[in-house]
Amino acid sequence: GENVEQHPSTLSVQEGDSAVIKCTYSDSASNYFPWYKQELGKRPQLIIDIRSNVGEKKDQRIAVTLNKTAKHFSLHITETQPEDSAVYFCAASKLYNFNKFYFGSGTKLNVKP
Amino acid sequence: DAGVTQSPTHLIKTRGQQVTLRCSPKSGHDTVSWYQQALGQGPQFIFQYYEEEERQRGNFPDRFSGHQFPNYSSELNVNALLLGDSALYLCASSPEGRVNTEAFFGQGTRLTVV
Repeated sequence: GENVEQHPSTLSVQEGDSAVIKCTYSDSASNYFPWYKQELGKRPQLIIDIRSNVGEKKDQRIAVTLNKTAKHFSLHITETQPEDSAVYFCAASKLYNFNKFYFGSGTKLNVKP
Repeated sequence: DAGVTQSPTHLIKTRGQQVTLRCSPKSGHDTVSWYQQALGQGPQFIFQYYEEEERQRGNFPDRFSGHQFPNYSSELNVNALLLGDSALYLCASSPEGRVNTEAFFGQGTRLTVV
């Protein structure tokens, strides 16, 4: 089965700095990679996703890059703000496999004001 | 649209007991998956229901079972509870028949086994 590894487990940055979270996956058949943000006591919420036919996707301060050959993908957050503080999860799935995901272990991001 | 709703929000059970958790999917969604999220870990896939049948299953013992009703709502049952079953249980829903679109998660049920 699929195995997703995520690093680092915790990340502390100063407000305004950039944050990068990296994930690797093992199943070359995975072709859909969402990122979820989970605030304390709340549900995971999708912040950005990327499909395997795309190398990079950007949405305002958030971007995701994918290297299919190396089987790794990364989340980049620029100009971090205190409200970005949360736990971020990467996940891997297959298109048409709907809501079945393999999640990483999470990164706790702390943005210091 | 209330999104995905789960009940109850918190639950305390004793070892050996049985528990039933409930999930109502987002309107228009007919596929429901259940996840177990241990403290400090990522969600782990338990199983997925579509058309009232278990379609896929993760690496969980038979003590974990489920059901889906004609209105697409779903239940997760766990028998013979162990201390290690203490976790946040999440359900996620999405619409069948579309290329993988956003899966919406409920807020979860926090199960504590004592």
